[in-house]
Amino acid sequence: DAKTTQPTSMDCAEGRAANLPCNHSTISGNEYVYWYRQIHSQGPQYIIHGLKNNETNEMASLIITEDRKSSTLILPHATLRDTAVYYCIVRTRNTGNQFYFGTGTSLTVIP
Amino acid sequence: DGGITQSPKYLFRKEGQNVTLSCEQNLNHDAMYWYRQDPGQGLRLIYYSQIVNDFQKGDIAEGYSVSREKKESFPLTVTSAQKNPTAFYLCASSIRGAVDTQYFGPGTRLTVL
Repeated sequence: DAKTTQPTSMDCAEGRAANLPCNHSTISGNEYVYWYRQIHSQGPQYIIHGLKNNETNEMASLIITEDRKSSTLILPHATLRDTAVYYCIVRTRNTGNQFYFGTGTSLTVIP
Repeated sequence: DGGITQSPKYLFRKEGQNVTLSCEQNLNHDAMYWYRQDPGQGLRLIYYSQIVNDFQKGDIAEGYSVSREKKESFPLTVTSAQKNPTAFYLCASSIRGAVDTQYFGPGTRLTVL
């Protein structure tokens, strides 16, 4: 699976959009981009995933660049409850269904 | 309610004792997984099972054992051979086949005294 690079930490003002970047320059054509988040001492929560098109759901939007080498998770109106560690993961179907979680981005939403 | 349950939330054991962590799901998912998380670090895969009566080692299987006798259940035993068992343990499940999203349980924090 391709390696991802994320900033260690970010701050965002409450009510503003939080834009979390992820670099995955070695991604291959059959690898999907997944985003999860983990609030302290809880299990990771699935947010969104995509292959090459931009995706949106009730939680967030995922913007993938045309060359697929990077992506951005957008939380449109951040709240204090969005404070968490956000993980960007790329994976194929052919890796024993494993998800490789790195250390992610610690997002702090500031009142 | 559908979901994944792990019990207990907190578990304490003495060094040298085996301990079994419970993971149950009622999502009718084929695949189940066990991860370990240490403070300030990402998740590491211990074992996974894609179907009943079958499982494979992940990256850090040494000192752990699992069974998959029922689709709904995937218990993890932390044996005395595991040198650093104190950690946060997470169970997940997914539908096998399509590009599957893994859904996680709330976790069990194991402390070995």
